[in-house]
Amino acid sequence: AQKITQTQPGMFVQEKEAVTLDCTYDTSDPSYGLFWYKQPSSGEMIFLIYQGSYDQQNATEGRYSLNFQKARKSANLVISASQLGDSAMYFCAMREAAGGTSYGKLTFGQGTILTVHP
Amino acid sequence: NAGVMQNPRHLVRRRGQEARLRCSPMKGHSHVYWYRQLPEEGLKFMVYLQKENIIDESGMPKERFSAEFPKEGPSILRIQQVVRGDSAAYFCASSRGTGTTGELFFGEGSRLTVL
Repeated sequence: AQKITQTQPGMFVQEKEAVTLDCTYDTSDPSYGLFWYKQPSSGEMIFLIYQGSYDQQNATEGRYSLNFQKARKSANLVISASQLGDSAMYFCAMREAAGGTSYGKLTFGQGTILTVHP
Repeated sequence: NAGVMQNPRHLVRRRGQEARLRCSPMKGHSHVYWYRQLPEEGLKFMVYLQKENIIDESGMPKERFSAEFPKEGPSILRIQQVVRGDSAAYFCASSRGTGTTGELFFGEGSRLTVL
């Protein structure tokens, strides 16, 4: 079973509009973290936002917010006021606290290509 | 503050040659992770290292691939006798500590092309 699922291969949004990128996850670990990364055409991985499983509030970082619905196991990324520079691939990822050990590794989704139109 | 430094950024090898990819973590970070990104796919975990120790290599192919993180110097991902299927972007990431909190910072990646 897929641990991280991004069902939208591609999304289009008009400049200055908001857009939501979907992400659902699957884990039996009570302690985990959810990440969103942006990968522009130049290829680097840019960290956007992090949500811990025990965090009471949804994470926000500037124009990025994470709509965390724990019961539904979803962690959608909301980008407000889209800009042309937001056009990129976006990856959702999860880090689990594996079985008592305190380290983790990220499991990535397949990504969503976002295109912002002027 | 230098970020995670990877080199080379681009590497071309012929089948059967060796590829060595280097990663210097961010200052103060002692945990290094290597990931591989095949074309049109997400990143896949390969190996997690701390200084002089391999902690988790569950994502590493059993043959031809090895990784190290010596006491001094960068982490090295080594691919022996490369094949066309090894063509990919290899990303290194580092973190300050462990657990599920905190950020994982990625380098810009090393793109390997096998001819």
